[in-house]
Amino acid sequence: QVQLQESGPGLVKPSQTLSLTCTVSGGSIIGGNYYWSWVRQPAGKGLEWIGHVYISGSTNYNPSLKNRVTISLDTSKNQFSLRLSSVTAADTAVYYCSRCGGPPTFDYWGPGIPVTVSS
Amino acid sequence: DIVMTQSPDSLAVSLGERATINCKSSQSILNTSNKKNSLGWYQQKLGQPPKLLIYWASTRESGVPDRFSGSGSGTDFSLTISTVQAEDVAVYYCHQYYSTPDTLGQGTKLEIK
Repeated sequence: QVQLQESGPGLVKPSQTLSLTCTVSGGSIIGGNYYWSWVRQPAGKGLEWIGHVYISGSTNYNPSLKNRVTISLDTSKNQFSLRLSSVTAADTAVYYCSRCGGPPTFDYWGPGIPVTVSS
Repeated sequence: DIVMTQSPDSLAVSLGERATINCKSSQSILNTSNKKNSLGWYQQKLGQPPKLLIYWASTRESGVPDRFSGSGSGTDFSLTISTVQAEDVAVYYCHQYYSTPDTLGQGTKLEIK
């Protein structure tokens, strides 16, 4: 059974970079045709796809965040990571990591990590 | 970007009754290569991550009760819960994966009347 777990700081200062890691267990991160994704959800609001990294290392990002976001794989640790630069209060949200398989729906999710942007 | 619009925003149904949630996409999400609609449905209970219920618009994910069903094609889709149970209280989201960026509806909150 695949499990995902987000980790990282829960508080980030405005203009700094938000960095989160998702650790995958129960299977290899390169063990299938999967896209490893980040999705976020501001309190009381809907879900926003941030982007994904494929097992090859290729990436795709939401254009609304494209200039600020980087998603990468660390196959040696079975992890993938999110970096979001120049954060503002609007980036305050619960951040989820997820596996996007075939069909390309989000079939496994981490429990989510709340991140607050505040000085 | 494809805009996904759900209706209603909230829904109150009596136990054992039917609930239907609608989702409309701003353009067709019918994948011509496999003749399938690139639409998923998720259930999110309070304080939990979303859970995949339906993919390709009408295929139930393994382990999802058969009271959940999806239908529709092109731009108009529905999620139906045939007999609502207390544990179905949640927010439901549709998700299109036809084109990047993936986009989701604003959510429909299901409550018990």
